[in-house]
Amino acid sequence: GAVVSQHPSWVICKSGTSVKIECRSLDFQATTMFWYRQFPKQSLMLMATSNEGSKATYEQGVEKDKFLINHASLTLSTLTVTSAHPEDSSFYICSARFQGGTEAFFGQGTRLTVV
Amino acid sequence: DAKTTQPNSMESNEEEPVHLPCNHSTISGTDYIHWYRQLPSQGPEYVIHGLTSNVNNRMASLAIAEDRKSSTLILHRATLRDAAVYYCILRDPKTSYDKVIFGPGTSLSVIP
Repeated sequence: GAVVSQHPSWVICKSGTSVKIECRSLDFQATTMFWYRQFPKQSLMLMATSNEGSKATYEQGVEKDKFLINHASLTLSTLTVTSAHPEDSSFYICSARFQGGTEAFFGQGTRLTVV
Repeated sequence: DAKTTQPNSMESNEEEPVHLPCNHSTISGTDYIHWYRQLPSQGPEYVIHGLTSNVNNRMASLAIAEDRKSSTLILHRATLRDAAVYYCILRDPKTSYDKVIFGPGTSLSVIP
């Protein structure tokens, strides 16, 4: 199946700093990528849909100024958590779908810990 | 999106078959039934999907009820590596194929 890679796999940052997470589709072009957040023992919550070359669409309740999403190319989307606080500590997961495809392929996730 | 209902958790003995049920009584005619699973500390992975007929692949089998209001994911021989959360999700190509919306899923424990 198609491969989606996230980087880094884990990151620890100080409160108030910003953190960037990358999501790459390694062997296909992804016109659409999705960002999820997952707290311990909970299911994945969709945060936003990222379309190449256009602004991301955020789900209700997700602050677009705090979670900046950029999808500058067909193989890369980035999520920047700005001014991170301990409550932003979570497991962030991206997924990608190639044009015309139906399946969503998921990255391995990024564990963010804000101290 | 039509809702699915799954048991919160299930247990299975290693090397025995596992039947994971999913109810979707409000399924529409164009909804596909998808299953994903999430191993601990990893992103979800696709398992199988179907519309009306039963489906088999190298990972599992999907049995779909004749009225499509329920389905069962079958792992023919559970291994310890199958311990994961299994998500049953309905996806309509016309309206929501872009998004995968996850419910609570079923947490499967495999006992050695």
